[in-house]
Amino acid sequence: AQSVTQLDSQVPVFEEAPVELRCNYSSSVSVYLFWYVQYPNQGLQLLLKYLSGSTLVKGINGFEAEFNKSQTSFHLRKPSVHISDTAEYFCAVSDGGGATNKLIFGTGTLLAVQP
Amino acid sequence: ETGVTQTPRHLVMGMTNKKSLKCEQHLGHNAMYWYKQSAKKPLELMFVYNFKEQTENNSVPSRFSPECPNSSHLFLHLHTLQPEDSALYLCASSQGEVRNEQFFGPGTRLTVL
Repeated sequence: AQSVTQLDSQVPVFEEAPVELRCNYSSSVSVYLFWYVQYPNQGLQLLLKYLSGSTLVKGINGFEAEFNKSQTSFHLRKPSVHISDTAEYFCAVSDGGGATNKLIFGTGTLLAVQP
Repeated sequence: ETGVTQTPRHLVMGMTNKKSLKCEQHLGHNAMYWYKQSAKKPLELMFVYNFKEQTENNSVPSRFSPECPNSSHLFLHLHTLQPEDSALYLCASSQGEVRNEQFFGPGTRLTVL
């Protein structure tokens, strides 16, 4: 079965500093990978996704992620964070094909941006 | 309304009450999902519906009863809940294919007393 590991439950960082949120997955088949963001009192919003092709994926709000098959990782990065980036970030992997998209989520990483 | 909407946004209920959560998607998607989000735990997929047919029931207790009358509406009927059922319940929809993202509603914050 597929699984997702987000080792960091919380990442504190100062405003305008770079940040990397780590995500590792386990799967024996080809995968699709996603990063979602959840702001307080809101649902999840897609930041970016990897389906195939270029391993560097660019998303919204200046975020990007790199798919590394050999390390089974899909780390999220931003070169300079803002206070408004404070939120919970979830990595997810798709589970199989078929008619519906079943996603397996990690436990989330709280990005706390400090002034 | 656009996207995925959920009502109510907040719900407090006793263990003997019966209530329902409603989800509506305005995106023309064919798949809808219920998730449970508890603190410090991964999102738990509860139910999946594809073209109104239930395709996944992730060992959810029978006190949670889903209903999908059409591809745009999804309900979660609640009865005789337990305090540990208190959580944020998220609804999502997608176009169904594995490569397509899921769009989430804002959730219903449920508190069981």
